[in-house]
Amino acid sequence: KNEVEQSPQNLTAQEGEFITINCSYSVGISALHWLQQHPGGGIVSLFMLSSGKKKHGRLIATINIQEKHSSLHITASHPRDSAVYICAVRHGGSQGNLIFGKGTKLSVKP
Amino acid sequence: DAGVIQSPRHEVTEMGQEVTLRCKPISGHDYLFWYRQTMMRGLELLIYFNNNVPIDDSGMPEDRFSAKMPNASFSTLKIQPSEPRDSAVYFCASSILLNTQYFGPGTRLTVL
Repeated sequence: KNEVEQSPQNLTAQEGEFITINCSYSVGISALHWLQQHPGGGIVSLFMLSSGKKKHGRLIATINIQEKHSSLHITASHPRDSAVYICAVRHGGSQGNLIFGKGTKLSVKP
Repeated sequence: DAGVIQSPRHEVTEMGQEVTLRCKPISGHDYLFWYRQTMMRGLELLIYFNNNVPIDDSGMPEDRFSAKMPNASFSTLKIQPSEPRDSAVYFCASSILLNTQYFGPGTRLTVL
């Protein structure tokens, strides 16, 4: 079993829809990252969080440490949001190791 | 700042050849990470440095892989000899402390 599981693997949405991507992990962590990988391959860090909730524009990330679960929400989705979204956790027992989920491929249709 | 710079962007080589990938982190960042991404395994951490010192290289697949950071502004990842299964995109990232990581554009390596 993977230590970081994301769902769904693939997601197709219509422009304007509210989108939720989930990440569950099985190890103790000190932080969780959400990354966005564009179709061209570039990777951008969206959020790093260790508790609660963070918001940046139309993106919201939440984490529940007790349940070992995080969600990434996109409000009023747009075709330019089409990308692969990757969850990664920093293992609590290690200074810097990140363990990655397999990613969720999002396609937003106009 | 120009961001994390990686070179080359694309590398095609033949099996058995030595390959050297280069990375220039963002100035002032004290952590540098090397990752590999394949379709089968996704993103994997290979090695990371703190203040030019390798901290954890447990992700390096085998002795054919080596990484150095001779100074705060330069790191290399070397594969010798290369094999077709090393074909992947190799990303370098840097950060201040263990905060947000900034990724380079990646080097797409193809080993024939």
